[in-house]
Amino acid sequence: EAGVVQSPRYKIIEKKQPVAFWCNPISGHNTLYWYLQNLGQGPELLIRYENEEAVDDSQLPKDRFSAERLKGVDSTLKIQPAELGDSAVYLCASSLQESPGELFFGEGSRLTVL
Amino acid sequence: AQSVSQHNHHVILSEAASLELGCNYSYGGTVNLFWYVQYPGQHLQLLLKYFSGDPLVKGIKGFEAEFIKSKFSFNLRKPSVQWSDTAEYFCAVILISSGSARQLTFGSGTQLTVLP
Repeated sequence: EAGVVQSPRYKIIEKKQPVAFWCNPISGHNTLYWYLQNLGQGPELLIRYENEEAVDDSQLPKDRFSAERLKGVDSTLKIQPAELGDSAVYLCASSLQESPGELFFGEGSRLTVL
Repeated sequence: AQSVSQHNHHVILSEAASLELGCNYSYGGTVNLFWYVQYPGQHLQLLLKYFSGDPLVKGIKGFEAEFIKSKFSFNLRKPSVQWSDTAEYFCAVILISSGSARQLTFGSGTQLTVLP
């Protein structure tokens, strides 16, 4: 069974530039998450989708961050414009709706903003 | 606001030593509890979970954790660590409210280094 796939694995951009991350969850997983992980800290939820609906986006900085999950499968997280403080690892995870908390994570996308 | 505390940021042990990593959470009510592990260069993966029933749960690779409700704790243990257990360990908690699950909250992680 294929795991959660994320791309790109690494991205280096200059501040004020846009960046986008892509995630393909495990087939059949209707819940998709985007987490932010700073060095030395645990993952922090940015947004959670149930199918194509964003059910928890309270911690997504909506002035510069946006996300979409068209057709309830793949998802894209965008930052525009990026700031120095956005340097972090962006994690995508998926789970079955009936198994909350049992997340399957991708390898993450490491963003460096110069 | 809900929070999860992991007391040790970095633990260094020799092989065959016993391990206990602390985890405390701050909410009352029904919770589901998890330990996740991230081996070097790999993605986060589930190590073990507690939903209900026996408060002592066993996970993969000889790990176990005990849920002590009165102490709001879910400590991770292993009687004898191996070099391959070197990894970062995250405790996570989800509050079950009115039959629906709230957000999964992670602790800040404990880096375990096992010396050969």
